[in-house]
Amino acid sequence: GESVGLHLPTLSVQEGDNSIINCAYSNSASDYFIWYKQESGKGPQFIIDIRSNMDKRQGQRVTVLLNKTVKHLSLQIAATQPGDSAVYFCAENRRNNAGNMLTFGGGTRLMVKP
Amino acid sequence: DAGITQSPRHKVTETGTPVTLRCHQTENHRYMYWYRQDPGHGLRLIHYSYGVKDTDKGEVSDGYSVSRSKTEDFLLTLESATSSQTSVYFCAISESSTLGEQFFGPGTRLTVL
Repeated sequence: GESVGLHLPTLSVQEGDNSIINCAYSNSASDYFIWYKQESGKGPQFIIDIRSNMDKRQGQRVTVLLNKTVKHLSLQIAATQPGDSAVYFCAENRRNNAGNMLTFGGGTRLMVKP
Repeated sequence: DAGITQSPRHKVTETGTPVTLRCHQTENHRYMYWYRQDPGHGLRLIHYSYGVKDTDKGEVSDGYSVSRSKTEDFLLTLESATSSQTSVYFCAISESSTLGEQFFGPGTRLTVL
């Protein structure tokens, strides 16, 4: 079936470097994508979103890129900090008559080395 | 956690017993969701609600039921708990029926012995 997935389960980066977390999706009908950050023992926290009519969106130190041609989503974190260490999930939105339904990828663990 | 609380935060129970988890929101959002999170599976949708008394099944609904008698409360019941239902359960809320993020609660860790 159609699903959202991630290429790399664990990413280790040096503090101060940029991080790139990737996500592949297969449902071309998905119209909205979200990146979540989950710290140990907490619920997922919204980071940034992007609609399918955009290919790039920037937030504070984070950028999401969407390539609809190859169905690929990425999250870029600039100047990675120890506080960025967490698991990151991408999610795709599929609308139905009952609301917006999110399907989550398996997650990538980001480890920041001091 | 965007005005979302879950109770209990931790629970240990025995196989065959019924268990009810509660999600309470103070945001007056229309949509509420229950997910479970397991290693290697990410977050999977169990049930969701699009209004008071309006609920529907998600991806992994077998063995679970839900109820929503008030806007602010969404209950998840494990009718007869099994060890395979040991998991971390998250509630989420959403304001919009179109595009919009879901806000998550802090989670409930359930262990079924």
